Amino acid sequence: DIQMTQSPSSLSASVGDRVTITCRASQSISSYLNWYQQKPGKAPKLLIYAASSLQSGVPSRFSGSGSGTDFTLTISSLQPEDFATYYCQQSYSTHTFGPGTKVDIK
Amino acid sequence: EVQLVESGGGLVQPGGSLRLSCAASGFTFSSYSMNWVRQAPGKGLEWVSYISSSSSTIYYADSVKGRFTISRDNAKNSLYLQMNSLRDEDTAVYYCARDGGSPRWAFDIWGQGTMVTVSS
Repeated sequence: DIQMTQSPSSLSASVGDRVTITCRASQSISSYLNWYQQKPGKAPKLLIYAASSLQSGVPSRFSGSGSGTDFTLTISSLQPEDFATYYCQQSYSTHTFGPGTKVDIK
Repeated sequence: EVQLVESGGGLVQPGGSLRLSCAASGFTFSSYSMNWVRQAPGKGLEWVSYISSSSSTIYYADSVKGRFTISRDNAKNSLYLQMNSLRDEDTAVYYCARDGGSPRWAFDIWGQGTMVTVSS
């Protein structure tokens, strides 16, 4: 089975900050990597698919990069509505989620 | 409006059974693969099961294999999860999620979730 790790597990940031979250797969998954945002009490929301493609309706301040085993999610200028937990997910072999990264207010 | 609505959650004793349903609307249900994902209280997301559009391909997480059964009825635009031999660790919010297919291979539509509590 493919294992996913994320770093950091949590971070504190201010509005306007540039935020980067890293995701690593235990084996190569090509570009079969997706990113989700989840707010408390809500269902996850797809942000990025296929490592770097922006889901329709998602603000352009979100971007993704990487391939193989190492991936990043970047928020170019953090907005108040971006404080949430972010999960990566591999879809190369069934599906596995990373443990999540909680982004809170500094 | 594209929508998924789960139902069937509740309180069940260890060893018991429960059947979850997910009603789809606003899209051609029969064209999409579907998944169940769960989230234990205060924990992260865990993929549970996948079913292809025609039900020809099914996968399960090791944690539920042999106890849970995924199925669908395309005529009723519905997805199901039959859960047997439930354990305390199955306590979670269960989400159904649409697999967006190529090129996404990502879960692009989610339901609001239904809570399953396994406790004596």
